[in-house]
Amino acid sequence: QVRLQESGPGLVKPSETLSLTCDLSGHSIRSGYYWGWIRQSPGKGLEWIGYIRDTGATYFNPSLKSRITISMDTSKNQISLRLHSVTAADTAIYYCARLVDGLVFFDYWGQGALVTVSS
Amino acid sequence: QSALTQPPSASGSLGQSVTISCTGTSNDIGAYNFVSWYKQHPGKAPKVIIYEVTKRPSGVPDRFSGSKSVNTASLTVSGLQAEDEADYYCTSYTDGNNLVFGGGTKLTVL
Repeated sequence: QVRLQESGPGLVKPSETLSLTCDLSGHSIRSGYYWGWIRQSPGKGLEWIGYIRDTGATYFNPSLKSRITISMDTSKNQISLRLHSVTAADTAIYYCARLVDGLVFFDYWGQGALVTVSS
Repeated sequence: QSALTQPPSASGSLGQSVTISCTGTSNDIGAYNFVSWYKQHPGKAPKVIIYEVTKRPSGVPDRFSGSKSVNTASLTVSGLQAEDEADYYCTSYTDGNNLVFGGGTKLTVL
C-alpha cells in the first residue's frame, strides 16, 4: 500500500527557509509516477506548489517558482520541499501527493504537515 | 495563473442532486481533458473522486459524475447522502506543465 508521510519543523521564522520531507513507502519513487506538493492555508483552498518527475525534472507554480526547490533522494525514497524567504502568507498545511503521469491527478496523499511562519 | 472559479457554497436535500461548476479558460479546462475533482472532509487530506473529466477511481460511488463544456467543468452528486457534506475542489492541467486548483465549494446536505 502506498503511504506518504510529511515531516519537518512546524514553526519557521519570517525570511527563513521552510524545509519539509515526504517519506514514501510501498512504492519506489522512481517507478513512473510524479510527486507533488500542495498546500492549504488555514480555512482556505488548495494551492499547487510543484511536482517532480521520476527523472528529476521539476515543474513549479509560476507564482512561487522563484522561491521553490523540490528534490528527490532515491536512496531514502523521499522527496523534499524547500520554500525560501517565507512570510506569514506561507503558513499552511503542506501535503505531498503522488501524481499519476498521463492522467494528471493526485491519487495518494500524505496526511499533511502544518507549518506556521511566525517570529 | 488564476485559480479556477467555483461557487463558494452549494446545498441540496437528502436524496436530491446537486451540481458544482468549475470555470476556467481556454488554456486549462478548455484545452485539456485533465480535469479532476477532490473531496475533502475537515481535517483530512483530499481524496480524488473524478479524473479525466468523467472517470471515477475504483471505490467511488457512481452517484458522483463529471462533465465538461468548453471552459467549464461540472461535478454532479446524485442521491445526496449525509456523508457527501464536504469541501469539493476541481483542478485542471494547464499550459506549461502546470496545474491549477479551484477555490473550493462547501457542499451542505440539508
